[in-house]
Amino acid sequence: ETGVTQTPRHLVMGMTNKKSLKCEQHLGHNAMYWYKQSAKKPLELMFVYNFKEQTENNSVPSRFSPECPNSSHLFLHLHTLQPEDSALYLCASSSQGARQPQHFGDGTRLSIL
Amino acid sequence: DAKTTQPTSMDCAEGRAANLPCNHSTISGNEYVYWYRQIHSQGPQYIIHGLKNNETNEMASLIITEDRKSSTLILPHATLRDTAVYYCIVYRNQGGKLIFGQGTELSVKP
Repeated sequence: ETGVTQTPRHLVMGMTNKKSLKCEQHLGHNAMYWYKQSAKKPLELMFVYNFKEQTENNSVPSRFSPECPNSSHLFLHLHTLQPEDSALYLCASSSQGARQPQHFGDGTRLSIL
Repeated sequence: DAKTTQPTSMDCAEGRAANLPCNHSTISGNEYVYWYRQIHSQGPQYIIHGLKNNETNEMASLIITEDRKSSTLILPHATLRDTAVYYCIVYRNQGGKLIFGQGTELSVKP
């Protein structure tokens, strides 16, 4: 149990569907992150939120839309995805300040049909 | 953030120490060395980090060379559950990004 919970664990969707991934952290952290991990590739940082404000968008296509309503919750809204978007999507959180490691959830395995 | 180089894969016998090397020759003075691991079907797990002194916690030890150009993660008594991909990352805490490379795939064998 890492303190970071992601739902659903698995998601299959068509290219025209709209779905959302949810992340919740119970660690009192104020920074949250979305990463993408495609098969045989390293983790790629997608978005960073600090105190609910987006501070990083790593050139992510607009079909991925993040939302951070408070410091404990993070969403990734998906629409009109492509087959190459099939991947493991990981959420992480951390405290601000020096030497604070990121804590990861176990991810949502997304498959686009 | 500086780049790291790790071996692609390593084997270790169960109960023996696993020593995982990492080269980070372009590390700068304000960059820390972090280690994470990712067990199959799980998210990455933080293990340990350090700046220039050796560090030890309940999971592992981190040995950083005096010139800080390389480091070694030591799992003192590897178990089958330590089989995972281990990532060495050089990271500036303020304004830096946690950039994952390919890591080392450690297989602990009975």
